[in-house]
Order: sequence, then C-alpha cells, then structure tokens
Amino acid sequence: DAKTTQPNSMESNEEEPVHLPCNHSTISGTDYIHWYRQLPSQGPEYVIHGLTSNVNNRMASLAIAEDRKSSTLILHRATLRDAAVYYCILYYSSNTGKLIFGQGTTLQVKP
Amino acid sequence: DTAVSQTPKYLVTQMGNDKSIKCEQNLGHDTMYWYKQDSKKFLKIMFSYNNKELIINETVPNRFSPKSPDKAHLNLHINSLELGDSAVYFCASSRPGQGNTEAFFGQGTRLTVV
Repeated sequence: DAKTTQPNSMESNEEEPVHLPCNHSTISGTDYIHWYRQLPSQGPEYVIHGLTSNVNNRMASLAIAEDRKSSTLILHRATLRDAAVYYCILYYSSNTGKLIFGQGTTLQVKP
Repeated sequence: DTAVSQTPKYLVTQMGNDKSIKCEQNLGHDTMYWYKQDSKKFLKIMFSYNNKELIINETVPNRFSPKSPDKAHLNLHINSLELGDSAVYFCASSRPGQGNTEAFFGQGTRLTVV
C-alpha cells in the first residue's frame, strides 16, 4: 500500500488561508488522492479528492503537483470549525474501498 | 436523515460480556465497513462487507463477528470483551470500485470495557 506523509500538526489564525501538505512519493498511476477530516468526537468526513488536476469544491481546494508525488489541501478561510485532524489518503481505483489512515495533521485554528 | 447511523453511541460493559453494535446506511451503497480507533487515535479498518459478503477481514480476533442481514445493515458482535477492546468503533459505507467515490462514516460508538 502506498503511503502518505503529513506534518503532525499545524496552526492557523481564523479567517486566514491554510495549506496542508501531503507527500506521496510512491503513488501509482491509478491512485486517487483523497482527503478526509475528523472533527472532535465525530466520524471522519470526506473533504475532496483528485487524480491529476487541481480540484475545487465548497469545502476546500486540492492542488496536485505535476509529478503527483505531493499535494496540498487548501482551506481558503479557516474558521474555528475547521479545527480537526486532516488525513491524506491514497485510494486505488479498483480496490475494495478500504481507506488506510495515517496519523494525519492536527489543525489548530486560533481566534 | 442520517446517512450512516450506528447505535449505541456509548457502551460501557464489564470484561467477559458479549455486546453488539448496530449500523445502518440509507445511501444505497453496496459496501459497508467497520473501523476501530484506539486510544492513540489511529483509525484502522477491521471488516468490509459487499452485498452481505465478507471481503475484508484485517486479522481481527475471532471474538469479533460482523453480521450483515442485508446490504443496508452491518452489525458488529463482540464476544468475551477484553479491556483492550475499549475504543471508538466507526461504521462506514461507500460504493468502491471507482476511485472517485467517497465513504460516509457514522458518528462512532465509544466502547469502554471495565
């Protein structure tokens, strides 16, 4: 299983942009890059995913490096509610749906 | 309507007891999962069922037995509970096979074995 590497923790100020990095140097051509987050005392929730091109949705943006060996989740304006653990996960297009969670990045948002 | 719901939310029980956690999804997904999050917050898959058929069993002790009466339900039964079983258990569902599908998780069941 290809692995991802993320910083253990990051801090941000409220209403400022946040860039959460993820390295996945062993990514294969069929791996999608998925991001999930887990708010305190809740189950993980899907944030965004991409394959090769940058992606935007109402929650965040995903910037994928040209060689696909790294990606960055961008929260355009962090709110206190965005304080969570963010997981970068490689998802195989033909697998059983299993998600392999790493340690993730714990994001603190300061008012 | 909650997409993936699991009950109970909290479960406190004594060692040696047998307990069950129930999970239901109303998303029409074919595949459901159980994940365990231990005290160090690591999330790890335990089981996966596709159309009532077991497809993933991640070396979980056989005291844990998932049961899927239909594709909308996946229950987890645990026999002879041990202190080390204390954790938060999450149920999830998805439609795998396509890399662009997302998984939906329940709110978790916090199991405490005393």
